[in-house]
Amino acid sequence: QQPVQSPQAVILREGEDAVINCSSSKALYSVHWYRQKHGEAPIFLMILLKGGEQKGHDKISASFNEKKQQSSLYLTASQLSYSGTYFCGTPSSYSGNTPLVFGKGTRLSVIA
Amino acid sequence: DVKVTQSSRYLVKRTGEKVFLECVQDMDHENMFWYRQDPGLGLRLIYFSYDVKMKEKGDIPEGYSVSREKKERFSLILESASTNQTSMYLCASIGLYYEQYFGPGTRLTVT
Repeated sequence: QQPVQSPQAVILREGEDAVINCSSSKALYSVHWYRQKHGEAPIFLMILLKGGEQKGHDKISASFNEKKQQSSLYLTASQLSYSGTYFCGTPSSYSGNTPLVFGKGTRLSVIA
Repeated sequence: DVKVTQSSRYLVKRTGEKVFLECVQDMDHENMFWYRQDPGLGLRLIYFSYDVKMKEKGDIPEGYSVSREKKERFSLILESASTNQTSMYLCASIGLYYEQYFGPGTRLTVT
C-alpha cells in the first residue's frame, strides 16, 4: 500500500525550514528518503530503521516513529540546491531486500 | 561510486513495436528493479529480480516482461508497445545497506 506524503508541494525562501511527512496505514519496517531533481535520477538520502531513531546529514534530518507508522523529513536553513521532489519509500515486507513502495512525492521549490 | 546505466535517455517508438530497455550496474548487486514514473503517480514497480534468471512481478507487470541473463544486466521488454506505456522508466539496484541506486532513466514515447 502506497505511503501518503504531505504536503504535495511547498515553496520556500532560502534559509527557511520545511517538514515533509510520510505516513502509512500498514506497519513500517523502515523508511527510505530520496530526492529527485528535474530530469535526473532519484538520489538516496537516508534510511531509517525501527527504533524511533533520527538520522541526518548536513541540514537534512529525518525521524521515524514506527508506532505512529510515520516518518518526517526536516530541511533546515534551506538552500537553492534543496529544490526537487522528495520521495519516501517503504519496503513491502520485513526483508530490506524487497522492493520499495514509494509515495507520490513532495515537490520542494527553494527561491532566492 | 556505484553506477547504474540505461541504454537510452530518450526513445520514440511506434505502437505495436517490440521495445527493449537495458540496464547495467557495476557493483555486483543481486537485486535489480524496473519502475515507471508518471506525473502524479510517483514510482511504480513493474518487475524485479533477486538473481540471474529469477524474476518477480511488481505492481504493474501487464504488457511487460524482463530478462536477466547476467548478474549485471536487467532488461525490460515491451512486447507490443502501446501509447499508455509512454512514460519515464527507471532501473535500480540495491546496495549493501538496502539503499537503492537509480539509473538516469529512459523517457519512452510511443506514438
